[in-house]
Amino acid sequence: EAGVAQSPRYKIIEKRQSVAFWCNPISGHATLYWYQQILGQGPKLLIQFQNNGVVDDSQLPKDRFSAERLKGVDSTLKIQPAKLEDSAVYLCASSLYSYNEQFFGPGTRLTVL
Amino acid sequence: GIQVEQSPPDLILQEGANSTLRCNFSDSVNNLQWFHQNPWGQLINLFYIPSGTKQNGRLSATTVATERYSLLYISSSQTTDSGVYFCAVTHYKLSFGAGTTVTVRA
Repeated sequence: EAGVAQSPRYKIIEKRQSVAFWCNPISGHATLYWYQQILGQGPKLLIQFQNNGVVDDSQLPKDRFSAERLKGVDSTLKIQPAKLEDSAVYLCASSLYSYNEQFFGPGTRLTVL
Repeated sequence: GIQVEQSPPDLILQEGANSTLRCNFSDSVNNLQWFHQNPWGQLINLFYIPSGTKQNGRLSATTVATERYSLLYISSSQTTDSGVYFCAVTHYKLSFGAGTTVTVRA
């Protein structure tokens, strides 16, 4: 069974530029999550989708971050414009349903200069 | 929100040694997961263990939900066990502890 796929793996941009990340969850998983992991910390949930609807986006900085999950399968996370403090690893995860075991992708390491 | 505390924050082991990592949480949870984050940043699922005891090779985990803690046991440690171990609990959403950094020396 294929795992969670993410791209790109690495991205370097300058502040105020835009960036987008892509995630394809495990086939059949209804719930998809985006996390931000700052160096030295545990991952923090940014947004959770159930199929193509948003369940929780309480910690998503909505003035600059946006996410969508069209057709309830893959998802994109966008940052526009980026700030220095957005430098982090962005992890995508999926689970069969909410509260089930979550499986993580390899992450995208973002550096904002 | 729920508080997840892991101890110790850092652990240095000699190859072959045994160790115990602890995770305390402040409220009732729907489930609990242990992960190993390897040096490349990949989060590897170790256990999905809302309660009870599970074993997988040299690793085992016990969760006592009524007392709000979980333990991860590493036996006969190997250098490949090095990395950060995270406990994460689901209480409306998945919340991670700060992790335990394990270094196994040959």
